[in-house]
Formats: sequence, C-alpha cells, structure tokens
Amino acid sequence: DQQVKQNSPSLSVQEGRISILNCDYTNSMFDYFLWYKKYPAEGPTFLISISSIKDKNEDGRFTVFLNKSAKHLSLHIVPSQPGDSAVYFCAATPNYGGSQGNLIFGKGTKLSVKP
Amino acid sequence: DTEVTQTPKHLVMGMTNKKSLKCEQHMGHRAMYWYKQKAKKPPELMFVYSYEKLSINESVPSRFSPECPNSSLLNLHLHALQPEDSALYLCASSQRQGTYYGYTFGSGTRLTVV
Repeated sequence: DQQVKQNSPSLSVQEGRISILNCDYTNSMFDYFLWYKKYPAEGPTFLISISSIKDKNEDGRFTVFLNKSAKHLSLHIVPSQPGDSAVYFCAATPNYGGSQGNLIFGKGTKLSVKP
Repeated sequence: DTEVTQTPKHLVMGMTNKKSLKCEQHMGHRAMYWYKQKAKKPPELMFVYSYEKLSINESVPSRFSPECPNSSLLNLHLHALQPEDSALYLCASSQRQGTYYGYTFGSGTRLTVV
C-alpha cells in the first residue's frame, strides 16, 4: 500500500503561470517532507522541504504548503518556466525506530511547461 | 564539493558476472544510502550506512552486497543478478542518519542484466 501518493502522473502548464503539484500521505508518523526534481538519466535534485511543525516554506519561485489534518502537501511553482519541465517527486520520512533516513517517495508527477 | 559521484554511469552485465558500483562524496556526510529505481516507479531504499556501519537493510537479496570502506565511499557489489534487477541504482548521502538537510543524490548507475 502506497504511503505517499502523487495522483497526477502528469501536468501541463503554460509558461509564466502557476504550477501546483499535489501529494497525499497516509502515515501520521511522517514528520519531514521533501520535494525532488528529476531529469531523465539524472538523479533526483533536492528542491525544497518542510517540517511537520510548519505549514509553509518558501524558496524563491518554489513554495511548499503542508496541511497536516488533511495529510496533504503541495508544491507551487510561480512563475513556471520551460526549464522546470521534469518529473517531481514528493518524499516523506517517518520519525520512528530504525527508519530514520528512509525517504519514502511518491510515484512522481511529470510537469511540462510550454512556452 | 557538493556532489555525490557515482561510477559507472552505465553497466551491462551477465547473470554470472561479478561487478561493483561505486559512490563517493566529500561533503563530510556520515550517512550514505543505496536506492533502486525501476522505470516509472519511485526510488526504493535498499541500504543505509551510518558512520560506516550498516544501519538498515530493507530485506535486499544477498546477491546485492554493500560495503562502506570509509566515510567517503560506498560500494555495492553485485553477483549472480537476475534480469529483473535491471534498474537505476541511486546513491545518496546526508549529514547524519535522521537529518535531511543536504540529502543529496548522485546521478545513478543504469544497470542492465542480460
């Protein structure tokens, strides 16, 4: 059973508009969330993260929102640029026992930003 | 240096071969990880090393044998693999196990087992 879900396999957005990528999770023990961007044939690149004690974190064009009661987080990219086209992975980590260090990934959302 | 370097980038091996994947980082990170990623699937954790000691083994078959010879190097020794083991193998590191600041991935080794 998937603990981290990205229900949209793909998203297409016009350049300059906002991209919103969504992620849901089921494990209430998750306490830290990360977003990674991945180009083909490359490893995931860290984008932005958020701790469960916060509800928002912003870094330049990227903002992550966390709604703990809904077990939902979203990544907002504004304005979107063609270079943002990539697969975006949501990852979460549980804070219990020996699982520290284990990032659990969603299946990813492929973002296409059209000029 | 803020990179995790993986070699080789591509590897094709037969089912009777023995090969090794290498991962190197010089960021002073004391936790290193191996992940496996199949096509159109998320990365899945295989092993975690903390201070050069194996901390987590996610029930990985013994044909995969990790080794951490020092704080900068992480190897994955491969022997008698199956075609279904073909995947992208990703190495990552972080400052400490359980801290996620600076959690960095390498570009991966694309492994094909024939």
